[in-house]
Amino acid sequence: DGGITQSPKYLFRKEGQNVTLSCEQNLNHDAMYWYRQDPGQGLRLIYYSQIVNDFQKGDIAEGYSVSREKKESFPLTVTSAQKNPTAFYLCASSRGPGLAEHQETQYFGPGTRLLVL
Amino acid sequence: AQSVTQLDSQVPVFEEAPVELRCNYSSSVSVYLFWYVQYPNQGLQLLLKYLSGSTLVKGINGFEAEFNKSQTSFHLRKPSVHISDTAEYFCAVKRGNSGYALNFGKGTSLLVTP
Repeated sequence: DGGITQSPKYLFRKEGQNVTLSCEQNLNHDAMYWYRQDPGQGLRLIYYSQIVNDFQKGDIAEGYSVSREKKESFPLTVTSAQKNPTAFYLCASSRGPGLAEHQETQYFGPGTRLLVL
Repeated sequence: AQSVTQLDSQVPVFEEAPVELRCNYSSSVSVYLFWYVQYPNQGLQLLLKYLSGSTLVKGINGFEAEFNKSQTSFHLRKPSVHISDTAEYFCAVKRGNSGYALNFGKGTSLLVTP
């Protein structure tokens, strides 16, 4: 079955530690996204990538980094510079730009919950 | 950039009653609007979307929404809710300059009770 997988489901970070959240998709989508979800605040865009080896900052990129070396993978690293990392992190993907309107849909993974020890 | 505002943070409703979840969007020439549902500790699932054409959009699980350009609204409706509809609902709009990334509202928690 095609879809998006995120791992781990729960992740614990110690102070000063960098942690990496995995996101993999087998939908053959060009574009991938990372969102952060906090209670009562909806989802906020961290980073997005429209094509391999290219990515752009979203609204809250400070303290995060990404890479896009493969079409199917878009890992997110939460660095020690992110002072309030506790949140639910959601990865999404969609087909690339320039396509038919009906293909403008983002598909979401099951999420990773990051907690600070 | 495009934005949406969900007018209710919580909506309690009895089973089999109708429900409306309200969403207003910022005005623009063209707009792509979406409603997603999230069950506890899960990702988001698309309910329906408006890209163009008919202003009444039908989605999954019996939900529908109406795009109203004059009132800049995209309210979600269901004529008869079930206990299983209890979830968080998010209205979203395509951002103008970030590929197909979305701007989300803060969510509406729908609680259906017997």
